[in-house]
Amino acid sequence: KAGVTQTPRYLIKTRGQQVTLSCSPISGHRSVSWYQQTPGQGLQFLFEYFSETQRNKGNFPGRFSGRQFSNSRSEMNVSTLELGDSALYLCASSRVSGYGYTFGSGTRLTVV
Amino acid sequence: GQQVMQIPQYQHVQEGEDFTTYCNSSTTLSNIQWYKQRPGGHPVFLIQLVKSGEVKKQKRLTFQFGEAKKNSSLHITATQTTDVGTYFCAGSTGANNLFFGTGTRLTVIP
Repeated sequence: KAGVTQTPRYLIKTRGQQVTLSCSPISGHRSVSWYQQTPGQGLQFLFEYFSETQRNKGNFPGRFSGRQFSNSRSEMNVSTLELGDSALYLCASSRVSGYGYTFGSGTRLTVV
Repeated sequence: GQQVMQIPQYQHVQEGEDFTTYCNSSTTLSNIQWYKQRPGGHPVFLIQLVKSGEVKKQKRLTFQFGEAKKNSSLHITATQTTDVGTYFCAGSTGANNLFFGTGTRLTVIP
């Protein structure tokens, strides 16, 4: 079966711009979580969606937002990009919230 | 806030040697999960432990969950070059999120 698909794979943006990242979970998975991975901070939880509802949010500024659609696909938006937002953004899905996540390959965002 | 610490941060071993990484949480966990991330790849789910004192094995990998459900370990017997990567533990309190440990990067020298 198809895995978790994230698009785009790579992205270069300029400071101050905004960006939208997309994640298509495994079919049947209703839980989608987003993580930011950087060499210095490791894997940091952004937020989780389950059946179109945000269940939990990590400690990130309001510039980071997300949503989930009725087909479980999720998008993450970052507004007013800063250099420090450069990172690998990983999406993970699971059938049951909090268990056995399957990660996508990620979107590598570079802010210049 | 919840923290999950992992040690060591880096480990270099000779092929055939054993390897262990330890994970400690500041709070009691409902479950702990382990993931492996190969260089340039994404985390891949290995296993979940739920019960106090639980021990699970996957071939050369042995996973343990502490009695107090605050710590866990992953032990690899007789490492191989295919074991190279970063091993993450991830703790959950059942509040719909996972807190990932800082990871242990394993290098296996042939």
